[in-house]
Amino acid sequence: DQQVKQNSPSLSVQEGRISILNCDYTNSMFDYFLWYKKYPAEGPTFLISISSIKDKNEDGRFTVFLNKSAKHLSLHIVPSQPGDSAVYFCAASALTGNQFYFGTGTSLTVIP
Amino acid sequence: DAGVIQSPRHEVTEMGQEVTLRCKPISGHDYLFWYRQTMMRGLELLIYFNNNVPIDDSGMPEDRFSAKMPNASFSTLKIQPSEPRDSAVYFCASSFGRSFSYGYTFGSGTRLTVV
Repeated sequence: DQQVKQNSPSLSVQEGRISILNCDYTNSMFDYFLWYKKYPAEGPTFLISISSIKDKNEDGRFTVFLNKSAKHLSLHIVPSQPGDSAVYFCAASALTGNQFYFGTGTSLTVIP
Repeated sequence: DAGVIQSPRHEVTEMGQEVTLRCKPISGHDYLFWYRQTMMRGLELLIYFNNNVPIDDSGMPEDRFSAKMPNASFSTLKIQPSEPRDSAVYFCASSFGRSFSYGYTFGSGTRLTVV
């Protein structure tokens, strides 16, 4: 069973607007959460992370929000740029666990 | 550093044939992971190694899959015999330590097609 879920397979946003990508998880033991970005024919690359002791982490145009009670995290991209068009994966792990569990990905298209 | 290097980039094989995927991790990284990407399940962990020792292979789908890491700079994932349902993109990733805050560095993947 999927422990990390990304229920939106795709998202289209106008350039300059905000992109919001969502991720839900089922395991309350998860402590660390990552977002990866993947371009076609390339491997996923690390984008931003957050630990469960925080509810927000910001890095330039990218902000990740964590709602532990809802077991939900989101990635905000502001402003969105055409170069942000990619597949975004969220991943989660427990400190005592042995792997990161990945979602199925959301394909973001930023329209110029 | 050249990053995680995987070969081949693409592999097309006939059902029943043996397939070997190769990975060279980043020098100095002590963890190596093999993932498989499918549309339905996203990125699934197949097996991971720490200091060349297999730690968890519970994600390996069946006995047709095997993985080895004979030294710190090389790992293989073998499928024998291959089946059409094995068609997917296989990624190798490495990290120094558990790397909770920065995750893993992935290779570019091997796209496997079994016909």
